[in-house]
Amino acid sequence: IAGITQAPTSQILAAGRRMTLRCTQDMRHNAMYWYRQDLGLGLRLIHYSNTAGTTGKGEVPDGYSVSRANTDDFPLTLASAVPSQTSVYFCASSDYPSGRSSYEQYFGPGTRLTVT
Amino acid sequence: QKEVEQDPGPLSVPEGAIVSLNCTYSNSAFQYFMWYRQYSRKGPELLMYTYSSGNKEDGRFTAQVDKSSKYISLFIRDSQPSDSATYLCAMSAGNQFYFGTGTSLTVIP
Repeated sequence: IAGITQAPTSQILAAGRRMTLRCTQDMRHNAMYWYRQDLGLGLRLIHYSNTAGTTGKGEVPDGYSVSRANTDDFPLTLASAVPSQTSVYFCASSDYPSGRSSYEQYFGPGTRLTVT
Repeated sequence: QKEVEQDPGPLSVPEGAIVSLNCTYSNSAFQYFMWYRQYSRKGPELLMYTYSSGNKEDGRFTAQVDKSSKYISLFIRDSQPSDSATYLCAMSAGNQFYFGTGTSLTVIP
């Protein structure tokens, strides 16, 4: 593994179903993030984690939950999917708050989710 | 009002042209300013970042920040077809990042 991996690559999900998007990084970065990207709205932060064991809400957290049990993994769960959650989801990490690259975020390849 | 405003384009230029991409913002607390490049169906990748006001040059790319006007720019010299992508500006104050909607650029050979 090099960088950030996300799974699945794409998914079609029936409304009301529960879904977990997986994200794993191998850079030992402290901070991890989940964004959704929608046409005309850009990247919007859903949840973030500054370090293992802590999480915080971003701009659009409703309907999503996260956990950070260890440094490498940061899963995003949709408890009961709705069509408005159709989007491309990106996981990212950074070496915040320490390191020269504190403000560089590394992004995964994304998960394309369609909720029908 | 959104935190960051960016013209979505699309922008189409001939190969070799100078490209200017711009963003404006409203939050005076932003201190770090970044430009990301995103190819189709890929994740964004960082091109450049600048702290506070001033210019930063990296090869064919120059980033400018004018905090007094709350305005940032990315210039691409001698544009190449491989520069065709969506360019996202981003800003931060602390550990939260705010992104523009992205400008789609096509460089025509």
